[in-house]
Amino acid sequence: GAVVSQHPSWVICKSGTSVKIECRSLDFQATTMFWYRQFPKQSLMLMATSNEGSKATYEQGVEKDKFLINHASLTLSTLTVTSAHPEDSSFYICSVRGVAGGYNEQFFGPGTRLTVL
Amino acid sequence: DAKTTQPPSMDCAEGRAANLPCNHSTISGNEYVYWYRQIHSQGPQYIIHGLKNNETNEMASLIITEDRKSSTLILPHATLRDTAVYYCIAPGAGSYQLTFGKGTKLSVIP
Repeated sequence: GAVVSQHPSWVICKSGTSVKIECRSLDFQATTMFWYRQFPKQSLMLMATSNEGSKATYEQGVEKDKFLINHASLTLSTLTVTSAHPEDSSFYICSVRGVAGGYNEQFFGPGTRLTVL
Repeated sequence: DAKTTQPPSMDCAEGRAANLPCNHSTISGNEYVYWYRQIHSQGPQYIIHGLKNNETNEMASLIITEDRKSSTLILPHATLRDTAVYYCIAPGAGSYQLTFGKGTKLSVIP
């Protein structure tokens, strides 16, 4: 499967600052990437779907002006949490979509833990 | 997406087979069933997927009933490292968006 990395693996920031999280597909050209977040003891929730070179599609209830997604290349997508607040503290995970033999598989990054003080 | 139902938790003795059930009674004829797992504080890991035939890979086997309304993920020889939350997902036909439910928390016990 595809190898996906995220940077940073964890970040602590002050309330009101912006944080950028990078997601890289190391060995696979990802036309589609996904961003999820996961609160403690809860399941993953899809935030947005991004296609290379076009605007991301956000899920209902996710503020597109707060969570800026850029998918500038086939191997890199970034999520910027703008003006972060404590309630944005969460585990953010990206994934890339793979298509092989007509099947769809997603390969996930290791996640980024964001703590907003 | 077809709704899936899984038991919230299961225990399995180390070295024994772990059988994780999933009910997907509303699945349509061309929807695949995917299994992922998430070890604590890590991103989910793809395990296996299938349509109607049983599947096996180096990680697990997937048994799908003939009516496709349920499936079972089998880890043949569970180890402590298999302790994780296991998710059964049936995205809609033609869809590639995965909707994660609560999954089954598998605890492998020494």
